[in-house]
Amino acid sequence: DAGVTQSPTHLIKTRGQQVTLRCSPKSGHDTVSWYQQALGQGPQFIFQYYEEEERQRGNFPDRFSGHQFPNYSSELNVNALLLGDSALYLCASSTESSGPDTQYFGPGTRLTVL
Amino acid sequence: AQSVTQLGSHVSVSEGALVLLRCNYSSSVPPYLFWYVQYPNQGLQLLLKYTTGATLVKGINGFEAEFKKSETSFHLTKPSAHMSDAAEYFCAVSLPQAAGNKLTFGGGTRVLVKP
Repeated sequence: DAGVTQSPTHLIKTRGQQVTLRCSPKSGHDTVSWYQQALGQGPQFIFQYYEEEERQRGNFPDRFSGHQFPNYSSELNVNALLLGDSALYLCASSTESSGPDTQYFGPGTRLTVL
Repeated sequence: AQSVTQLGSHVSVSEGALVLLRCNYSSSVPPYLFWYVQYPNQGLQLLLKYTTGATLVKGINGFEAEFKKSETSFHLTKPSAHMSDAAEYFCAVSLPQAAGNKLTFGGGTRVLVKP
């Protein structure tokens, strides 16, 4: 049973560029959440997708957008990259079918903005 | 809004000694509580969680945590540290009955285990 997978593992971009990160949830999971983890800090919630809709959003600007596909996989897009966007981006999946859920995390994508 | 405070950004313990990591939370309703561990260059792995019921929760790798509502705490302990416990630990909360289950994390505590 494959866990949560993310691609790419590492990415280097320059300021002003755009980036797309990808996530495949754990088998049987229908909810995907994205988190940003800056160096030396705890993860910060960006947004969550369920049934292809953004259900919750954290305190992140509109430069951060996402999408969920019918197969439950998800993308995180960041436009007009800033140096401060350099971080580890974590994807987590869960399912609505059971109660107070545990989120299962992928290994993350390390984004460096130069 | 909920928040999490982890006391001590770094903790150093000797191998075989008690590991104690402190977590206090603030929430308008009794939250769900989680401890995650992160090894270098990896994602987060769930150690244990509290949702309802017994307030002493046992997790993987010999860790346990106790939910104390009166103290708004959820401290993590392990009786005897092992070298493999060296990692960063995050306490997190989510709100029950909310649409979605976003996690709010503390700042993390990095554990160093001395031989």
